[in-house]
Amino acid sequence: TQLLEQSPQFLSIQEGENLTVYCNSSSVFSSLQWYRQEPGEGPVLLVTVVTGGEVKKLKRLTFQFGDARKDSSLHITAAQPGDTGLYLCAGRNYGGSQGNLIFGKGTKLSVKP
Amino acid sequence: GAGVSQSPRYKVAKRGRDVALRCDSISGHVTLYWYRQTLGQGSEVLTYSQSDAQRDKSGRPSGRFSAERPERSVSTLKIQRTEQGDSAVYLCASSLRDRSSGANVLTFGAGSRLTVL
Repeated sequence: TQLLEQSPQFLSIQEGENLTVYCNSSSVFSSLQWYRQEPGEGPVLLVTVVTGGEVKKLKRLTFQFGDARKDSSLHITAAQPGDTGLYLCAGRNYGGSQGNLIFGKGTKLSVKP
Repeated sequence: GAGVSQSPRYKVAKRGRDVALRCDSISGHVTLYWYRQTLGQGSEVLTYSQSDAQRDKSGRPSGRFSAERPERSVSTLKIQRTEQGDSAVYLCASSLRDRSSGANVLTFGAGSRLTVL
């Protein structure tokens, strides 16, 4: 069974602080995605990374895919209350069923003004 | 509409009853997934179907969970003989392959929150 471990599970910080969320696995993934989910809504895709070592930036968010394609990180600079939400990483395994994504349990982020 | 919509948004059922949850996905999206989301287990795929199927490929758990796809962009998740452990948010997602990355991109509905008493 492929597992994606996310850490930390919960994170509460003040506005303006930086933070990093981690997503780790012992398995190799062909691609990895990060989603953000707000209460009462479904997850919304933030980014897809496919190449080992790849770094993608989305405004104040920086996503990195590990060289071995087993792990990923999400770094937020100068967090704002609007960043509050559940951050989910999801990996797609090689072969297997049609694009079946495996999700981590998520990191619940709260940014206080 | 442009997104994935699910109904009902909230459902309360007595233990042992059957429940049906509906998903209207995005026209043109091929594969449709049902996920169950709980605080303890995170998000796990229950079943998914491809465009040419009313067949469903069941994830875990199987048996009491099945999906029907009467139309290409409509799916109904059926849960038979509900148990208290079935209380969760059920998310529907349709997928489209992203041309630049080659990865499947999921578009999720807002979910149906099921409470089994």
